[in-house]
Amino acid sequence: EVKLLESGGGLVQPGGSMRLSCAASGFTFTDFYMNWIRQPAGKAPEWLGFIRNKANGYTTEYNPSVKGRFTISRDNTQNMLYLQMNTLRAEDTATYYCARTITTVVGWYFDFWGPGTMVTVSS
Amino acid sequence: DIQMTQSPASLSASLGETVTIQCQASEDIYSGLAWYQQKPGKSPQLLIYGASSLQDGVPSRFSGSGSGTQYSLKISSMQTEDEGVYFCQQGLKYPFTFGSGTKLEIK
Repeated sequence: EVKLLESGGGLVQPGGSMRLSCAASGFTFTDFYMNWIRQPAGKAPEWLGFIRNKANGYTTEYNPSVKGRFTISRDNTQNMLYLQMNTLRAEDTATYYCARTITTVVGWYFDFWGPGTMVTVSS
Repeated sequence: DIQMTQSPASLSASLGETVTIQCQASEDIYSGLAWYQQKPGKSPQLLIYGASSLQDGVPSRFSGSGSGTQYSLKISSMQTEDEGVYFCQQGLKYPFTFGSGTKLEIK
């Protein structure tokens, strides 16, 4: 059974940093692109970026809205995905999800999501 | 970025009724579209990908269609468990983008 479980959320002051983690199990972690997606309360999800699989060299792509502030990494020995967030702003307040990608001939989609971890940026 | 516009923003349907939700992309996305269902306090669940392919385990009353910039999700016979918010997502170009959502309730 595929499982994803995020951790590390909480309250952080504006300008601060936070690292989120996602523990993956139930599938061959290195075979899949992995994503971070966030969703402010009552709003649509926003894709933040992904890190590719082993076959594609574990390279990354980011949404321009967070590029330069957020960094996605993975520890393939521990089946862990990470999101390092720096210079946090109030508008970064959201539930943060890790999600697995399915890659098809007609695009990339998210077939499994964790339950999410909430991040609140406030003084 | 590709903008995704969903309609309606909300609707209510009776049990057994057919429901249709629309999604329009700001440019041709060549069937690179997915639909998700989200229930309160839960993460989104993939229903349809590639515009019309049903994800494993999703009931056959859900179907997707469309091409170019116009896509739709149809629920052929509304059930109580279908209440929730539905999002479309384009998976063709970075950054992947979502529609603003359609809240579906039982009438």
